[in-house]
Amino acid sequence: GAGVSQTPSNKVTEKGKYVELRCDPISGHTALYWYRQSLGQGPEFLIYFQGTGAADDSGLPNDRFFAVRPEGSVSTLKIQRTERGDSAVYLCASSLMWRGGLNEQFFGPGTRLTVL
Amino acid sequence: GQNIDQPTEMTATEGAIVQINCTYQTSGFNGLFWYQQHAGEAPTFLSYNVLDGLEEKGRFSSFLSRSKGYSYLLLKELQMKDSASYLCAVRSLRGYQKVTFGTGTKLQVIP
Repeated sequence: GAGVSQTPSNKVTEKGKYVELRCDPISGHTALYWYRQSLGQGPEFLIYFQGTGAADDSGLPNDRFFAVRPEGSVSTLKIQRTERGDSAVYLCASSLMWRGGLNEQFFGPGTRLTVL
Repeated sequence: GQNIDQPTEMTATEGAIVQINCTYQTSGFNGLFWYQQHAGEAPTFLSYNVLDGLEEKGRFSSFLSRSKGYSYLLLKELQMKDSASYLCAVRSLRGYQKVTFGTGTKLQVIP
């Protein structure tokens, strides 16, 4: 079956521009996570959705970052007024959310964002 | 908050055994994951421990001691393709099941 997909795979933008990163989770997965990963680091939590609502957005670095999941499936991470420090790989993951279940996360291939 | 520590890099020889350690501090522990991540690729799930003891899955085993806040991943009969980063991740109860990742251990397997 299809895994988690993310588009675009690469995005190069200029400082100050607006970008949107898309994530298509595995069908039936109600939980969706966004992470940011810099070179040599582990994934850094940004935001978690359970269904359509953001259950935890405590990892978003500032108000330039925003994410939506309007129909409980596809999610979009939006970054306004991009800065060079936003350059990283943005990973999306999805999982089931069964009480007491393993609920391991399945990751997409990521979007490599470069801000010039 | 959560704090997860693992070595930055390790080197091991093809055919050998390597142990990658992870220590953590967390409130409301609800399981520990190990993920493998090849360079330029997404992390993939390897193992999960929620109770103390050893979980074995082929060449890979993972151990957990909740009282010590300690886990290790054991890789046997190392192959060149095992060269990758290994991420320790802790799940906590926080209304939902939040997962926090360590910085990863980059393993290089040499002939």
